[in-house]
Amino acid sequence: AQSVTQLGSHVSVSEGALVLLRCNYSSSVPPYLFWYVQYPNQGLQLLLKYTTGATLVKGINGFEAEFKKSETSFHLTKPSAHMSDAAEYFCAVSPYTGANSKLTFGKGITLSVRP
Amino acid sequence: EAGVTQFPSHSVIEKGQTVTLRCDPISGHDNLYWYRRVMGKEIKFLLHFVKESKQDESGMPNNRFLAERTGGTYSTLKVQPAELEDSGVYFCASGSGYSSTDTQYFGPGTRLTVL
Repeated sequence: AQSVTQLGSHVSVSEGALVLLRCNYSSSVPPYLFWYVQYPNQGLQLLLKYTTGATLVKGINGFEAEFKKSETSFHLTKPSAHMSDAAEYFCAVSPYTGANSKLTFGKGITLSVRP
Repeated sequence: EAGVTQFPSHSVIEKGQTVTLRCDPISGHDNLYWYRRVMGKEIKFLLHFVKESKQDESGMPNNRFLAERTGGTYSTLKVQPAELEDSGVYFCASGSGYSSTDTQYFGPGTRLTVL
């Protein structure tokens, strides 16, 4: 069975500071990996995903994540936080076998950005 | 293009009552998913429709939950009778592809409170 670990429930950074949100997964084979963001009163929006190929993935709004198989990690980063980045962020995986596409999520991390 | 819509946005009911949640996917999306987030926990998969057929309903908690997708368009999720532990946010997502790498587009969710 797959699982996703997002340590901590809340991260606070200053505007302009580095954002680092951690995600580790557990799976018998490397799964496909996703980061979603949920802004207040909105649905989850895909930030980026890793399927195959380059392990450094760039997403929307200046975010990127790097797949590290040896560390079973897919941490999300952004060099400089903006106030508009305040939201809840979810790491998710889907099985490597293509027929089953259900997502398994971590608990989510709330990002606050201080002025 | 309209996104995934869900109705109602909030529902407050008494234990033992019936509630029906509705999801309208993005037009043309054959895949429709239901997920649930209980407070403080991770978002969990409930079931997956391909057109009008249930592809995977392994996440449905018990037989008090009934999901339908008439004509392969909108879907309803009925809870009857509702219990306190059914409280949470119910998300619907839709997708056009048949691979576990494909993006799922989420609605804003229905917040269900059972008193």
